Formats: sequence, structure tokens, C-alpha cells
Amino acid sequence: GAVVSQHPSWVICKSGTSVKIECRSLDFQATTMFWYRQFPKQSLMLMATSNEGSKATYEQGVEKDKFLINHASLTLSTLTVTSAHPEDSSFYICSALTGISTDTQYFGPGTRLTVL
Amino acid sequence: QQQVKQSPQSLIVQKGGISIINCAYENTAFDYFPWYQQFPGKGPALLIAIRPDVSEKKEGRFTISFNKSAKQFSLHIMDSQPGDSATYFCAARRDTGRRALTFGSGTRLQVQP
Repeated sequence: GAVVSQHPSWVICKSGTSVKIECRSLDFQATTMFWYRQFPKQSLMLMATSNEGSKATYEQGVEKDKFLINHASLTLSTLTVTSAHPEDSSFYICSALTGISTDTQYFGPGTRLTVL
Repeated sequence: QQQVKQSPQSLIVQKGGISIINCAYENTAFDYFPWYQQFPGKGPALLIAIRPDVSEKKEGRFTISFNKSAKQFSLHIMDSQPGDSATYFCAARRDTGRRALTFGSGTRLQVQP
């Protein structure tokens, strides 16, 4: 199957700092990428949908000014957590789709964010 | 509003047994129903998926049963192995629009040796 990578795999930062997480589709062009957040022992909650070259669509309750998403190319999307606080500590997972309507959604390995 | 309900929350099965996880959905516009397997600290991996035009799909030890009229689908894991111990998520989406997946709440499966 297609490969989606994330970097970094884990990050620890101080409260108030910003953290950038990268999501790359390694062997296909992703017209759409999704960002999910997963708290321990819980399901994946969709945060936002991003399409290459356009603004991200955020889910209700997700602060767009806090979680900045950029989908600059067909293989790269970034999530920046600005002014991170301990409650932002979570497992962030991206996924990607090609432009084919029936295609499979492939997930990255996730990024563990811990805010001290 | 939770659009995909999953049960049970946890499941313990003996090695060699059958694991069954159930999901029910509300949105009749959903076109695609995948199951994902997730190990701790890892991203979800696609296990098997089905579309509403078929009632069953089998891949190796994994089978999806789909009941369109009841709006339910289930995952059966035959000959369950300790290596199958993981969290399983059902999901659903439309093939038009954003095509974002809506996930069930997850089932933690433990296969005892």
C-alpha cells in the first residue's frame, strides 16, 4: 500500500512554544490530507481537512488559529500547534488520499506531542 | 453526533477462537466501510474494507459482513492469534465531498494464548 510518513515521531516542548509536524505522502500525490487527534484509549477525532493549494477546513470546535495547517504541495502537509499548552498533549495522526474517489485512506505513523 | 457506533468496547478471546466486532451507522449516504487495526503508539493500518453493493468480503482470516437494510457491519477474525491483539476501529465515509472518515469508538481485542 501507499506510504505516508510523519516527522517527528515524538516531540516534547515547553508550554507556550510552537511545534510543527510534517506529513508526507512518499509514493503518491495526495490531493487531500486529513489531520486527526487521538487521546489515550480513545478514537480518532478529525481536526481538519486540507487540499493542496487551498485553505484547510476545520471541524467544529477546532481552533484554526491554534492549529495552523498548510498543504503547500501534493506530497506535504504541515500542522503547527501554536502556543502549545499541556492540554494539547496528544497523538496527532495524518492521512492522505489521492484524487480517485474510491481510493483508500492511508495513515501516517503518528506524532506524540507532550507539552510540559 | 456519533454517526458510527461500535461494540464491544473490549473483547477477550482465546487463541484459535473467533473475534466479532460490530458497528452500526446512521448516515445512509456512506459509500465505504473500512476496518483499521491499530497497535499502541502506531497509526491505524487498513485491514479490510467493503462497499454497500456486497454483503460479505473475506480476506484471509478477516471477514466483513454487511447488512445494508439494518445499517450494520461487522468484522470477524477467524482463528484469532495473540498477534491480533490490538485496537480495531470501524469507519465509514462518502465517496464524494471531503471523503473524511468517521470512526467508531474502537474495540480493544486481547487474544489469550
